[in-house]
Amino acid sequence: AQSVTQLDSQVPVFEEAPVELRCNYSSSVSVYLFWYVQYPNQGLQLLLKYLSGSTLVESINGFEAEFNKSQTSFHLRKPSVHISDTAEYFCAVSHSGGGADGLTFGKGTHLIIQP
Amino acid sequence: ETGVTQSPTHLIKTRGQQVTLRCSSQSGHNTVSWYQQALGQGPQFIFQYYREEENGRGNFPPRFSGLQFPNYSSELNVNALELDDSALYLCASSRDTRWYGYTFGSGTRLTVV
Repeated sequence: AQSVTQLDSQVPVFEEAPVELRCNYSSSVSVYLFWYVQYPNQGLQLLLKYLSGSTLVESINGFEAEFNKSQTSFHLRKPSVHISDTAEYFCAVSHSGGGADGLTFGKGTHLIIQP
Repeated sequence: ETGVTQSPTHLIKTRGQQVTLRCSSQSGHNTVSWYQQALGQGPQFIFQYYREEENGRGNFPPRFSGLQFPNYSSELNVNALELDDSALYLCASSRDTRWYGYTFGSGTRLTVV
């Protein structure tokens, strides 16, 4: 079985400051890793994903995440946050190449940007 | 291209009743997955439909069932509603069974009283 732990339920940070949202997973086999963002009253949007290759993956809006196999982590970072980044962020994992077992999500981290 | 649309957006039902939620997949997508997101929790996988057949299921009881139609739209049916079924139900479509191409809808908020 696989599981995802998001260590912080809420992360307050000042605008233009850097931020790191932590994600650890447990799985006995190779994994595929994702970060999704959920704005109020909306569905989930894929932010970035790690499938294979380079362990550092980037999104188009300045977020990046690094897959660390030895520490079983996939932390999300942004060097300078904006008010518009206020949202719920979910880390997710799957060990299969197909969707028949779905994605396993963490409980989410609420990123709160303070002006 | 159109995204994933879900209906209704909000719904209130009484314990013991049955409910049907609907999802129209994104154009060109043939696979639909359903997730339940309880308040303050991450989404949990209910099941996936591909070519009108259920091809994967999470840890949900049989009273959660679904359908997929030839146009790839889908329904989620829940019988004998319980208070704990109150949640946001998310539908996600993809081009095939690979979830890394998921597009999520905005969800249906179900409240069971």
